[in-house]
Amino acid sequence: DAKTTQPNSMESNEEEPVHLPCNHSTISGTDYIHWYRQLPSQGPEYVIHGLTSNVNNRMASLAIAEDRKSSTLILHRATLRDAAVYYCILRPDSYGQNFVFGPGTRLSVLP
Amino acid sequence: GAGVSQTPSNKVTEKGKYVELRCDPISGHTALYWYRQSLGQGPEFLIYFQGTGAADDSGLPNDRFFAVRPEGSVSTLKIQRTERGDSAVYLCASSLTPRVGGDGYTFGSGTRLTVV
Repeated sequence: DAKTTQPNSMESNEEEPVHLPCNHSTISGTDYIHWYRQLPSQGPEYVIHGLTSNVNNRMASLAIAEDRKSSTLILHRATLRDAAVYYCILRPDSYGQNFVFGPGTRLSVLP
Repeated sequence: GAGVSQTPSNKVTEKGKYVELRCDPISGHTALYWYRQSLGQGPEFLIYFQGTGAADDSGLPNDRFFAVRPEGSVSTLKIQRTERGDSAVYLCASSLTPRVGGDGYTFGSGTRLTVV
């Protein structure tokens, strides 16, 4: 499985933008980049995913480096509810591949 | 239903007992997954069902763990002779299509199993 590397933890102030980095230097051409987050006492929740181009949705933006060896999840305006563990996961576009979760980045949002 | 439902939300059992954990996926989702999450770790894959059959059970830690999905909807994870090391949050997820790169999962809130 292609591996990702994320910082163990990050802090942000409320109402400021947050940039969560993910390195995936061994990514292959057919790997999708997925981001999930896990709020306390809940299961992981889908945030966003992409393949090559930057992506935007109502929750976040995903910026993918041109060489695809890294990506950044952008929360445009952090709220206290965004405090969670954020997982960056690579998933091959072939039948039979699971999501493999690493330890993720624990984001703390300060009021 | 609107989301993935897991019951019970909490289960405390004595070492050596048998437990069953239930997952009710989103209606129409053919793919169902079980994960286990220990404190401070990311979820760890256990088993994947496509319809009624277990398409991949490579993550089950040993033969004390077993899961079924007899009618292709609700699934039950069964643990025999529970051990203290089985204590974890057991997560269930479902997806509309089989596992391909762009498809995402919807997770339930999990069952917290504590073996005393």
